[in-house]
Amino acid sequence: DAGVIQSPRHEVTEMGQEVTLRCKPISGHNSLFWYRQTMMRGLELLIYFNNNVPIDDSGMPEDRFSAKMPNASFSTLKIQPSEPRDSAVYFCASSQGLRVDTGELFFGEGSRLTVL
Amino acid sequence: KQEVTQIPAALSVPEGENLVLNCSFTDSAIYNLQWFRQDPGKGLTSLLLIQSSQREQTSGRLNASLDKSSGRSTLYIAASQPGDSATYLCAVSGANNLFFGTGTRLTVIP
Repeated sequence: DAGVIQSPRHEVTEMGQEVTLRCKPISGHNSLFWYRQTMMRGLELLIYFNNNVPIDDSGMPEDRFSAKMPNASFSTLKIQPSEPRDSAVYFCASSQGLRVDTGELFFGEGSRLTVL
Repeated sequence: KQEVTQIPAALSVPEGENLVLNCSFTDSAIYNLQWFRQDPGKGLTSLLLIQSSQREQTSGRLNASLDKSSGRSTLYIAASQPGDSATYLCAVSGANNLFFGTGTRLTVIP
């Protein structure tokens, strides 16, 4: 299996622009998670999906953030408009379990976002 | 809220040495604990998953233990190698969330 695939690996954009991050989970996994990693706050769960349905988006920082999972093999995390404080590495992870706390997580290599 | 602490934040050891990484957590009501490895600029790689009913898990030179009552887990690495250099994070599950520690950055000196 190719593992969790994320794109782009690096994104540099200017404040106010729209950013779309993409994720392809491991085939057969039921759950997909979006995390953000910064030096100051470490890893934070933003949102997760079970069987393509958003279950918990309480970690999404603001309305500027949105996530979709139109099918079992694709998810997007969108930031509109982007701000410099959104600069971070965004990770997608998937799991066979239906809850974030019951299954082994497999992470993608991340999308490093820099907002100027 | 669950708080996960990893001490030390950084550790340097000579090649061949056995070492222990520590993880402590405040709430013992957990489902499982997972150890990850993160290389610079890379994602997290799962190393070991310990269910709450288990005391330890082993994979090759790695052994992870779990003591729920004391809120502690250790990751033992035997015969360390330069390729083991990375940041090691523990994650504790509970309340439908995973709580990550801030990691221990390990450097194995050839």
